[in-house]
Amino acid sequence: DFQMTQSPSTLSASVGDRVTITCRASQTISGYLAWYQQKPGKAPNLLIYQASSLKTGVPSRFAGSGSGTEFTLTINSLQPDDFATYYCQQYTSIRSTFGQGTKLEIK
Amino acid sequence: QLQLQESGPGLVKPSETLSLTCTVSGASTSSTDYYWAWIRQPPGKGLEFIGTIYHSGSAYYNPSLQSRVTISVDTSKNQFSLNVKSVTAADTAVYYCATTGPDILTGYYDSWGQGTLVTVSS
Repeated sequence: DFQMTQSPSTLSASVGDRVTITCRASQTISGYLAWYQQKPGKAPNLLIYQASSLKTGVPSRFAGSGSGTEFTLTINSLQPDDFATYYCQQYTSIRSTFGQGTKLEIK
Repeated sequence: QLQLQESGPGLVKPSETLSLTCTVSGASTSSTDYYWAWIRQPPGKGLEFIGTIYHSGSAYYNPSLQSRVTISVDTSKNQFSLNVKSVTAADTAVYYCATTGPDILTGYYDSWGQGTLVTVSS
């Protein structure tokens, strides 16, 4: 199966900062990688699919990159609304798997 | 616009069966455009894929849950359902229904229900 490992688990940053979250797969997943944002008490919200394609309506300060086994989510110029938990998901396998999450906190 | 709504008991006793239903609006569960999935999230923890089903009834499960889980689709009611048998406290979680597209290119979850908390306790 495909294990997904995110780092860091927690990230402290300030409004206006640029942050990067990494997601590593246990084996190659080509570009079948999605990123989600989740706020407390809410369902996850798709941000990026196919590693770097921005979902319509998602602000352009969110960017994804990577291929194979290593992927990154970058958020440029953090806004107050961006403080949340972020998950990666591989969908190379129909039995998809998620990373353990990265909580982005206000410094 | 596709919308999903989970329903079912919020409290289940240990060793019993957890049963949830997801009602779909804005799309048909008989459509070839979607897979219908269940995902759960224990309190304070991450997301876990439970399983997914196609309109044909072909289902795929998380290997760690496969022996206890059944997902079914009812195209006449435009619903799909989840059963988890022999539950324990470890099955306490928010359960989400969600959809993906029909192939590997669209295997991300673009639509989600709001989630329903199921607690396993006597």
